[in-house]
Amino acid sequence: DTGVSQDPRHKITKRGQNVTFRCDPISEHNRLYWYRQTLGQGPEFLTYFQNEAQLEKSRLLSDRFSAERPKGSFSTLEIQRTEQGDSAMYLCASSFGPDQPQHFGDGTRLSIL
Amino acid sequence: AQSVTQLDSHVSVSEGTPVLLRCNYSSSYSPSLFWYVQHPNKGLQLLLKYTSAATLVKGINGFEAEFKKSETSFHLTKPSAHMSDAAEYFCVVSSNAGGTSYGKLTFGQGTILTVHP
Repeated sequence: DTGVSQDPRHKITKRGQNVTFRCDPISEHNRLYWYRQTLGQGPEFLTYFQNEAQLEKSRLLSDRFSAERPKGSFSTLEIQRTEQGDSAMYLCASSFGPDQPQHFGDGTRLSIL
Repeated sequence: AQSVTQLDSHVSVSEGTPVLLRCNYSSSYSPSLFWYVQHPNKGLQLLLKYTSAATLVKGINGFEAEFKKSETSFHLTKPSAHMSDAAEYFCVVSSNAGGTSYGKLTFGQGTILTVHP
């Protein structure tokens, strides 16, 4: 169990640029979740996958946000045309099933200049 | 619908004294409840989990929590605080409603625990 891995740890970009984050879950976990955490708040659910299927994406913050998990292993979260309000910590978690604890990565901190 | 309310945004204790972090929840179904801890610039680590097997749940690092359905509470306690316990703690409820929301976590606002020497 090598844990959930997220890359990069930090991303600084200019407003209007596109960014992509990667998450590698624990290998035997079939569920993968994305959350966003802003300063002083608890994480907020964005979307999740069961294997390669994205089962809920209604909480993605706008159509600028999209996520994929093409082979049911790693996942990417893309934000297009970044805005100042996108600055946050983006967390990925994985689990063995819906009623199993979620294991979190260390997150990607996004800063928009 | 489900929600979590952490009653204290900050708690300050002295090393060696008890810790109490308070959490109330609201859920339409029998909930799964968790406490997670987050150290600065790190991800979240699971402390303990309640899933109806026992109302008193023991977790890592000496923490435990008691599920009280009548009070809709899930308070986190530790008999003796250690300096390394200083962190932010989140009370979390998981949706057991079935459908596409099943397994989605809803977090409280967090409680920052400060431990003084």
